Amino acid sequence: EPEVTQTPSHQVTQMGQEVILRCVPISNHLYFYWYRQILGQKVEFLVSFYNNEISEKSEIFDDQFSVERPDGSNFTLKIRSTKLEDSAMYFCASKGRATDTQYFGPGTRLTVL
Amino acid sequence: AQKVTQAQTEISVVEKEDVTLDCVYETRDTTYYLFWYKQPPSGELVFLIRRNSFDEQNEISGRYSWNFQKSTSSFNFTITASQVVDSAVYFCALSEPTSNTGKLIFGQGTTLQVKP
Repeated sequence: EPEVTQTPSHQVTQMGQEVILRCVPISNHLYFYWYRQILGQKVEFLVSFYNNEISEKSEIFDDQFSVERPDGSNFTLKIRSTKLEDSAMYFCASKGRATDTQYFGPGTRLTVL
Repeated sequence: AQKVTQAQTEISVVEKEDVTLDCVYETRDTTYYLFWYKQPPSGELVFLIRRNSFDEQNEISGRYSWNFQKSTSSFNFTITASQVVDSAVYFCALSEPTSNTGKLIFGQGTTLQVKP
């Protein structure tokens, strides 16, 4: 069964460094998402991406964040200059059509020291 | 505004007990979807069920059942004869597909601990 994959599973970085989190959505899906979950808290929407552009972003998604779909399979989240408060689990999700269910990847745990 | 409330932060039961997880939502849309996701200790988010706003029929899947009531804006989840493997955090979520993105709005989650 097709699934969303994410790499790496765990990323440790120093404050101020740039990180790129990678996701491979389910093939032929058209809608892509990033969510964040700070330890012990709820899952929060960051950004959605459709037709090669951001369709919506939350207040969390400030200028330090960017997303890209560099080729037909990868979907990346870049944090330009990480802060301690960026430490969280980052989930990628995708869906095929507007009314479909979103399926999540296993997440990348980002630790900023 | 969209909002999902899971008032139960933590629930602890003994194996074989039935347990109900509550979910109350707010939305101005007449068309929306409701979801339950399970997050086991390993951390991934596992999709359990989706209901659309036009289908209030309750659903049963094995030991799991869901009670959707538009009149009270609730979408509760019952696990019958709970097992230790059911221990996880359960999230209720809302999506409005007519919006720009169909993003998911999650509740705070309910941590379920099933003791042997």
